[in-house]
Amino acid sequence: AQSVSQHNHHVILSEAASLELGCNYSYGGTVNLFWYVQYPGQHLQLLLKYFSGDPLVKGIKGFEAEFIKSKFSFNLRKPSVQWSDTAEYFCAVNGVLTGGGNKLTFGTGTQLKVEL
Amino acid sequence: SAVISQKPSRDICQRGTSLTIQCQVDSQVTMMFWYRQQPGQSLTLIATANQGSEATYESGFVIDKFPISRPNLTFSTLTVSNMSPEDSSIYLCSVSKDRADTQYFGPGTRLTVL
Repeated sequence: AQSVSQHNHHVILSEAASLELGCNYSYGGTVNLFWYVQYPGQHLQLLLKYFSGDPLVKGIKGFEAEFIKSKFSFNLRKPSVQWSDTAEYFCAVNGVLTGGGNKLTFGTGTQLKVEL
Repeated sequence: SAVISQKPSRDICQRGTSLTIQCQVDSQVTMMFWYRQQPGQSLTLIATANQGSEATYESGFVIDKFPISRPNLTFSTLTVSNMSPEDSSIYLCSVSKDRADTQYFGPGTRLTVL
């Protein structure tokens, strides 16, 4: 079975600080990887995704993530956070299951608070 | 990406009753899914809503408790039956072109069971 771990449950940063949120997954096959964000009072939105190709992917609002296959990791980064980045961030993995089909599995989420 | 709406956005229900949640998409989509997000937890897939056939349920979820309909490629319903306080959650629908593709999520339905 596939699983996703997000190491930091709560992160507090000051504006302009750099951000890195960890995401590791457990799965032996091909995966598609996603980061979703949920701003306060809003619904879940796609931040970025990796399907294939360049392992460094860029998303909206200056976010990027790097897929490191050997480490089963897909960490999210942003060089300088803003107060408006305060949100909950979810890493998700979509892997091909034995017997066919795919399933999107989410991590437990990281609550990011950016202070002025 | 598709525009997804859910009704109701929130509800407070009594134990033992049932609630049907609707999910409407502004364009035809192949795949529709239903998720649950319990308080303080991540999203868990309940089932895949299949157009014209019975939904495919994940382990731990059964049709009698969560009957799902999908009469066409733009609409699905999830019913939470015989509710108990443990069913208090946010219920979300999502859509995608196929199972491996990006899923886009609706705004969710916040359900409180007293």
